Amino acid sequence: NAGVTQTPKFRVLKTGQSMTLLCAQDMNHEYMYWYRQDPGMGLRLIHYSVGEGTTAKGEVPDGYNVSRLKKQNFLLGLESAAPSQTSVYFCASSYARTDPISSPLHFGNGTRLTVT
Amino acid sequence: KQEVTQIPAALSVPEGENLVLNCSFTDSAIYNLQWFRQDPGKGLTSLLLIQSSQREQTSGRLNASLDKSSGRSTLYIAASQPGDSATYLCAVKRKIEMDTGRRALTFGSGTRLQVQP
Repeated sequence: NAGVTQTPKFRVLKTGQSMTLLCAQDMNHEYMYWYRQDPGMGLRLIHYSVGEGTTAKGEVPDGYNVSRLKKQNFLLGLESAAPSQTSVYFCASSYARTDPISSPLHFGNGTRLTVT
Repeated sequence: KQEVTQIPAALSVPEGENLVLNCSFTDSAIYNLQWFRQDPGKGLTSLLLIQSSQREQTSGRLNASLDKSSGRSTLYIAASQPGDSATYLCAVKRKIEMDTGRRALTFGSGTRLQVQP
């Protein structure tokens, strides 16, 4: 049982380049999230999805797009990377219909992105 | 808007000491509160989750308490060990998150704990 898997683990981009971060979960979770973590600012929600085929904006969505074509996968895209997007990106999932009450958040190990 | 504050930002203690990490939040209308551990270069691991109707949760040497009315939670670590060294984050899920269906968490910035052998 792998839980939440993120790829790649590290990436360096030049300003203006594009890339896609991949997230996969094998817990049959309904909800998936993308957060970014910056020093002294905690984790901030970028986008989220409440189910297959649905996406919505979080607190800091500008410059990012997402897609959830399959229930187990949640993709985060940067169309034109900027230095302000240098951060560690975390994917998380929660809420299985079999256990809706507790539904703790499960995290991947993160993607460290540097934009030069 | 919910704000979550964790003080201190960093803490260093000798091995064997009992310690308390603090978390405060501004909106008391929460659904639950979760404590996480983060090791360097790793993701977050859920330690304890307290529902709004609960006062505390325990797991091994960890005990988390919740006082909604004062907007506070504490994580108590008994008999600390060097392996407890990590950053500890608390996060709250507001009731409005459940009402709107978003179910997202608001995180504090964490307390970086160093337990010295």
